[in-house]
Amino acid sequence: QKEVEQDPGPLSVPEGAIVSLNCTYSNSAFQYFMWYRQYSRKGPELLMYTYSSGNKEDGRFTAQVDKSSKYISLFIRDSQPSDSATYLCAIYDGNKLVFGAGTILRVKS
Amino acid sequence: DGGITQSPKYLFRKEGQNVTLSCEQNLNHDAMYWYRQDPGQGLRLIYYSQIVNDFQKGDIAEGYSVSREKKESFPLTVTSAQKNPTAFYLCASTTASGFGYEQYFGPGTRLTVT
Repeated sequence: QKEVEQDPGPLSVPEGAIVSLNCTYSNSAFQYFMWYRQYSRKGPELLMYTYSSGNKEDGRFTAQVDKSSKYISLFIRDSQPSDSATYLCAIYDGNKLVFGAGTILRVKS
Repeated sequence: DGGITQSPKYLFRKEGQNVTLSCEQNLNHDAMYWYRQDPGQGLRLIYYSQIVNDFQKGDIAEGYSVSREKKESFPLTVTSAQKNPTAFYLCASTTASGFGYEQYFGPGTRLTVT
């Protein structure tokens, strides 16, 4: 079983839609949960991180962690064509990041 | 401007040749990482280094080698022993442990071996 599982998509939505991206993880000891965004042919950039359980909001983006079910989510409200990218979830194990496969998101105008 | 540079952006090599990918950072970060990205597989860790003159193998180190002689530089050599070297290679750095979740990535090098 992989430490972090993520559906690679692609996910295609119309402009203005609410997007839900999800990952599951296997180790209940993990405490740091990240979402990175990667535009085509570029390096990833940190979008949001969450420590332990709960929600974190930043503008149109909300990161959510449910440690009881080992489930992490990223919600994008009012999605824009500029949000089209690959979204990678990651956990930090104290030494290194472990990434999911990444979900390709396409927002159509 | 502070950041991470990787060169070249595109690299082409013949099978059986070793090739070295460059990674330089001027962020004064202690830790540096090399990842490989293949379609549908996310980022997989090759090697990482938390201090100068020390490095550890990641999940897919076979066929690769690194050195960390200077804080700002962490070159990756893809050797002829790497069975499937064609991929997108990403270098990253971060401050000392405790903030290792916030990694800053370079623009990547796309290596094609034929």
